[in-house]
Amino acid sequence: QQQVKQSPQSLIVQKGGISIINCAYENTAFDYFPWYQQFPGKGPALLIAIRPDVSEKKEGRFTISFNKSAKQFSLHIMDSQPGDSATYFCAASIGNDYKLSFGAGTTVTVRA
Amino acid sequence: ETGVTQTPRHLVMGMTNKKSLKCEQHLGHNAMYWYKQSAKKPLELMFVYNFKEQTENNSVPSRFSPECPNSSHLFLHLHTLQPEDSALYLCASSQRLAGGPFAYNEQFFGPGTRLTVL
Repeated sequence: QQQVKQSPQSLIVQKGGISIINCAYENTAFDYFPWYQQFPGKGPALLIAIRPDVSEKKEGRFTISFNKSAKQFSLHIMDSQPGDSATYFCAASIGNDYKLSFGAGTTVTVRA
Repeated sequence: ETGVTQTPRHLVMGMTNKKSLKCEQHLGHNAMYWYKQSAKKPLELMFVYNFKEQTENNSVPSRFSPECPNSSHLFLHLHTLQPEDSALYLCASSQRLAGGPFAYNEQFFGPGTRLTVL
């Protein structure tokens, strides 16, 4: 049973555009929501994370929006650059547990 | 070497072969993980070691056998694999407070071993 559902599977955006990736979860005990970024030939690396006590977190051009009542969270990449072309994974866990439940990933392609 | 390293980066093996994947973390962490990554699927957690003790075996077939001789090294021994085992195998590490929770632990991943089973 997939605990975190991610969409879309892939997206193409023009340079300077906005990329939006959505995730939904079922387990209301989740209280930590990280996003990982993976480039070809590399392992995933933590990009940004949020806890449910805030509705938004921004780091540079990357923003997480969190909707606790809808059990959804999303990643927005503003002013997308070709260097942002990668696969993005959302994940969720219960804070004191090591188990990360990952989404299936979104491959983002930014065209110059 | 920095971070988490994995060798080999690519491996092709027959169904009757025995091979091993190696992972080493240079971060001073005390928890290590094996994940399987298949195309268009979520990362699947396979095994977890905390302070060298295995604490998770996520219903992984016995043809996969992990070994953690110390907190810096993790191995995955492979034997009589099936073609459906072809995937990217990722190692990760994180820091767990001694005797306590993981407290929103960040997992650091290696680059993976691309395994092809013929």
